[in-house]
Amino acid sequence: NAGVTQTPKFRVLKTGQSMTLLCAQDMNHEYMYWYRQDPGMGLRLIHYSVGEGTTAKGEVPDGYNVSRLKKQNFLLGLESAAPSQTSVYFCASQGQGNYGYTFGSGTRLTVV
Amino acid sequence: AQSVTQLDSQVPVFEEAPVELRCNYSSSVSVYLFWYVQYPNQGLQLLLKYLSGSTLVESINGFEAEFNKSQTSFHLRKPSVHISDTAEYFCAVSYSGAGSYQLTFGKGTKLSVIP
Repeated sequence: NAGVTQTPKFRVLKTGQSMTLLCAQDMNHEYMYWYRQDPGMGLRLIHYSVGEGTTAKGEVPDGYNVSRLKKQNFLLGLESAAPSQTSVYFCASQGQGNYGYTFGSGTRLTVV
Repeated sequence: AQSVTQLDSQVPVFEEAPVELRCNYSSSVSVYLFWYVQYPNQGLQLLLKYLSGSTLVESINGFEAEFNKSQTSFHLRKPSVHISDTAEYFCAVSYSGAGSYQLTFGKGTKLSVIP
C-alpha cells in the first residue's frame, strides 16, 4: 500500500531552471492537491484537481503550472525557478465521500 | 471565507504533563473537523477526525478532541504527553454542502515536550 508517492524527495535548482515534481497515488482518488509549507505560514494551496483532465488555482498559484493527464498522477511544474520558491512541497489526495486527505512525504526544494 | 485559527504557534510542555492545543473555526451549519500531526522531516498524518455522532473523538495514541458547536472549537488534548509527541499539529475543517470537500488548514502548533 504505497498511498501517495512524491518524487524527488530533495532537489537543488539554480535560479531560472525548470523542473517537475511528480505525485502518484494508488487509491483511485478523485481529488489531488499541491501545497507548499514554509516556516510560520502553515500549508498554502498552490493548485488542485477535482478529476482527470481538470486543474484549478489555489491560494498561491503564480510561478507554478500543473497537469492531471492521468487520474493517478498530478504534476507540479516550475518553469523558471526563483529563490522565493524554496520550500517543502506536499501532495495530497482525497477520495469522493472521504473527508480527509492522504499526504505524500514531501519534496524539499532549494533554489539558489 | 472559511478560516481556521490555531491560537498558539508554539506550546512547550514537560513530559507527563497534560496539554491542550486550541483550534477555532469560522461558523457554518455543518462541518467536518480534523487534526493532523507532522513529525520532524515527515509528511502530515491524520490523527483524528470528527464527521458526525459523538462530539468526543479519540486517537490510538491517547489524544482526544471535542467538537463544540456553540464555541466553534475543536481543541486537542492529551492527559500525559511523551517525548515522542513532539511534533507540529494542524487543525483542519471541511464545510459540507459547498460542493467540495476541500480542507482549510490552520497555521499549525508546534508541541515541544521537555524531558
